[in-house]
Amino acid sequence: GQNIDQPTEMTATEGAIVQINCTYQTSGFNGLFWYQQHAGEAPTFLSYNVLDGLEEKGRFSSFLSRSKGYSYLLLKELQMKDSASYLCAVVDSNYQLIWGAGTKLIIKP
Amino acid sequence: ETGVTQSPTHLIKTRGQQVTLRCSSQSGHNTVSWYQQALGQGPQFIFQYYREEENGRGNFPPRFSGLQFPNYSSELNVNALELDDSALYLCASSCLAYEQYFGPGTRLTVT
Repeated sequence: GQNIDQPTEMTATEGAIVQINCTYQTSGFNGLFWYQQHAGEAPTFLSYNVLDGLEEKGRFSSFLSRSKGYSYLLLKELQMKDSASYLCAVVDSNYQLIWGAGTKLIIKP
Repeated sequence: ETGVTQSPTHLIKTRGQQVTLRCSSQSGHNTVSWYQQALGQGPQFIFQYYREEENGRGNFPPRFSGLQFPNYSSELNVNALELDDSALYLCASSCLAYEQYFGPGTRLTVT
């Protein structure tokens, strides 16, 4: 079966750095997405990785290791508005998105 | 503003009824995917439509069906509603699976 694992919940302090991990086992791999979802809202796109390595976009970076089936999302200089759920999703061999359950990130002042 | 719209925003139905949810995709996108998201869970893939044909289906029973129209808008139909069907239903448009743009969702409550 296909499986995406993420921690259920994480807590961090405003101004700090947090790393959210994602491991996956899927039938095929055609890329990995990270989405942010605020409570009661639709997911919004953060990043896409298809090759190994680090992609940096402002305060957010995403890393991929295809051989390890592993990705992480790194958030720097945390702000209160970063409190949200972060969803990892893998594009499988049928070009369909397989989603993790999401990591709820709580930011404390 | 993603350009993906869904209607209605909220809906209350009783068990056994049927419901139709609608989605207008973003201009230039030919693929629509439908997801069910229960509270505190990630989205669960229902099915995807590409150029009016079903292009993959998740682990949902046949009472979940859909359509895509020539303008790439889409409908999700659910027959014989069950209490467990209560969820947020998300529609996302894209060019195949790449960077899906989500609509605001329809919150369905089945009583």
